[in-house]
Amino acid sequence: AQTVTQSQPEMSVQEAETVTLSCTYDTSESDYYLFWYKQPPSRQMILVIRQEAYKQQNATENRFSVNFQKAAKSFSLKISDSQLGDAAMYFCAYRSASGGTSYGKLTFGQGTILTVHP
Amino acid sequence: EAEVAQSPRYKITEKSQAVAFWCDPISGHATLYWYRQILGQGPELLVQFQDESVVDDSQLPKDRFSAERLKGVDSTLKIQPAELGDSAMYLCASSNLGQLDRTQYFGPGTRLTVL
Repeated sequence: AQTVTQSQPEMSVQEAETVTLSCTYDTSESDYYLFWYKQPPSRQMILVIRQEAYKQQNATENRFSVNFQKAAKSFSLKISDSQLGDAAMYFCAYRSASGGTSYGKLTFGQGTILTVHP
Repeated sequence: EAEVAQSPRYKITEKSQAVAFWCDPISGHATLYWYRQILGQGPELLVQFQDESVVDDSQLPKDRFSAERLKGVDSTLKIQPAELGDSAMYLCASSNLGQLDRTQYFGPGTRLTVL
């Protein structure tokens, strides 16, 4: 079974600075997808960024980028120019690209609470 | 922008009572998921539907939980009887078969408190 680990329960950053959230995962599969989701307090979970495992290039979405190290099974999220609205719980998630009953299921990490200081 | 709808947003009930949650996925999304999220933790899959069929309910406590998606569109998750340990956020998500990465889009969730 796949597992996802986020070793930073809490992180903080000053507004306009850069912060990196860590995520590692364990899998025996070669084809999969990785996601970062953001869950603001009392608000719904929204997708921040996604990465296909077969792609060498790291995904980027505006101020958000990832550092995907497939051999190390590491998938960190970098937030540049942090804004107050970035404050939220961030979840790293894994999804298999193979068939079978686990297909489609997201396996989440425990989450990292990000605080942004003005 | 299309969104996943869920109701109610909040539910308080006493243990041993029955509760039901409703989810309406994004139009055209054939796959629907129910997750349970305990406070401070990541969501865990309870059940996954493909159209009206259950494809994964391995983590669903079937002695008290049931889920249906009769017409392959909206879905209902039921708990009977509710227990104190069922207090959690229940999230519904949907995804599009036509999208290769099957990105899941989440609803606002139903926060259940069992007293």
